[in-house]
Amino acid sequence: DQQVKQNSPSLSVQEGRISILNCDYTNSMFDYFLWYKKYPAEGPTFLISISSIKDKNEDGRFTVFLNKSAKHLSLHIVPSQPGDSAVYFCAAGVMDTGRRALTFGSGTRLQVQP
Amino acid sequence: NAGVTQTPKFQVLKTGQSMTLQCAQDMNHEYMSWYRQDPGMGLRLIHYSVGAGITDQGEVPNGYNVSRSTTEDFPLRLLSAAPSQTSVYFCASSLGQGLLDEQFFGPGTRLTVL
Repeated sequence: DQQVKQNSPSLSVQEGRISILNCDYTNSMFDYFLWYKKYPAEGPTFLISISSIKDKNEDGRFTVFLNKSAKHLSLHIVPSQPGDSAVYFCAAGVMDTGRRALTFGSGTRLQVQP
Repeated sequence: NAGVTQTPKFQVLKTGQSMTLQCAQDMNHEYMSWYRQDPGMGLRLIHYSVGAGITDQGEVPNGYNVSRSTTEDFPLRLLSAAPSQTSVYFCASSLGQGLLDEQFFGPGTRLTVL
């Protein structure tokens, strides 16, 4: 039972355009969400996070949107750059569990074409 | 500052063998964790530690042991390797109080069990 789903295994966009990566979750208890980026042969690196008390969080070219009623979040990258080509994982957790559980999606491979 | 280091990078074991995956961090982080990543799946938490002397189980702890005698080191032991443990293993640490804070990941250990 996948509680965090990234239904698009891959995405290809042109350099300079917007990349939109989607993530759906089923557990209504989740109230904190994170995005990690992973390059081949490296560990994931933290990108951005959002609490359920917000519906948007922005950090430079990266914006995460949260739609609690739809149990959906998305990561927008504007403008996309070739260096953004990586696998992106969304992850979700529950603050009240003492931050001791985190569920990852299966990832979306983003390819930004020059 | 080396961050999070993992050794070895690659390992091949035979079924029934035991081994220890090493993880060390030099950032004085209290929180450390071990994940495995299998093809087409997200990262799954094996064990975590909130500080020296304190460990707890994650989502998939069976077949693995951990200990945390120092803040810096968090080794993962496979007691009797099985083909189902073929995976890429990541160690991570965080300054904050748990998994919902930014985690810093090591480069991973690719383990094959024959």
